[in-house]
Amino acid sequence: GAVVSQHPSRVICKSGTSVKIECRSLDFQATTMFWYRQFPKQSLMLMATSNEGSKATYEQGVEKDKFLINHASLTLSTLTVTSAHPEDSSFYICSASPIGRGEQYFGPGTRLTVT
Amino acid sequence: QQQVKQSPQSLIVQKGGISIINCAYENTAFDYFPWYQQFPGKGPALLIAIRPDVSEKKEGRFTISFNKSAKQFSLHIMDSQPGDSATYFCAASSGGGTSYGKLTFGQGTILTVHP
Repeated sequence: GAVVSQHPSRVICKSGTSVKIECRSLDFQATTMFWYRQFPKQSLMLMATSNEGSKATYEQGVEKDKFLINHASLTLSTLTVTSAHPEDSSFYICSASPIGRGEQYFGPGTRLTVT
Repeated sequence: QQQVKQSPQSLIVQKGGISIINCAYENTAFDYFPWYQQFPGKGPALLIAIRPDVSEKKEGRFTISFNKSAKQFSLHIMDSQPGDSATYFCAASSGGGTSYGKLTFGQGTILTVHP
């Protein structure tokens, strides 16, 4: 149980285009999902907290107009990287917490490469 | 105040040995302490977690030791196997109840188990 999926697993896009990443909780509902970014050989950096039916809460230094988050249902959150640039290339990981339980379960990650 | 300091940065252990990773925190509001295992190119997987009302929790070969007064907790991997070779992250959060809130991650430990 507690499986989280992400799609796509890898994406390559050209500079200036937008990319959408989906995060789904497959066997549980989650009012809260989290989006992280991870650089090679580094720890996870929280970007934003996504709450179903309300606006996401962004961490300090994260551009909310660049990283658009939508939590449309209790099983789906999306992260859209708008006008992507090479410096946005990274490993993006989401996590979700089952309703009534606090632990976070992570998705497999999405490798974004901007050329 | 929000930092979680993890050590060592890397660890090499022989097969069958004990792997020990340590974490220290400052924020006394933290009340949930999970450990995650991450393989290259994958998302972190929840290994084991502890709340501060107990000093030790064991699940299979994995044990968390928790010292509330010292604000430290550690992961012990008994009978380490080559398949345990991965990056391990400690984390902490506050919130209590059914919501553990945002996770603050340690810097990670790269564990290598030699056959």
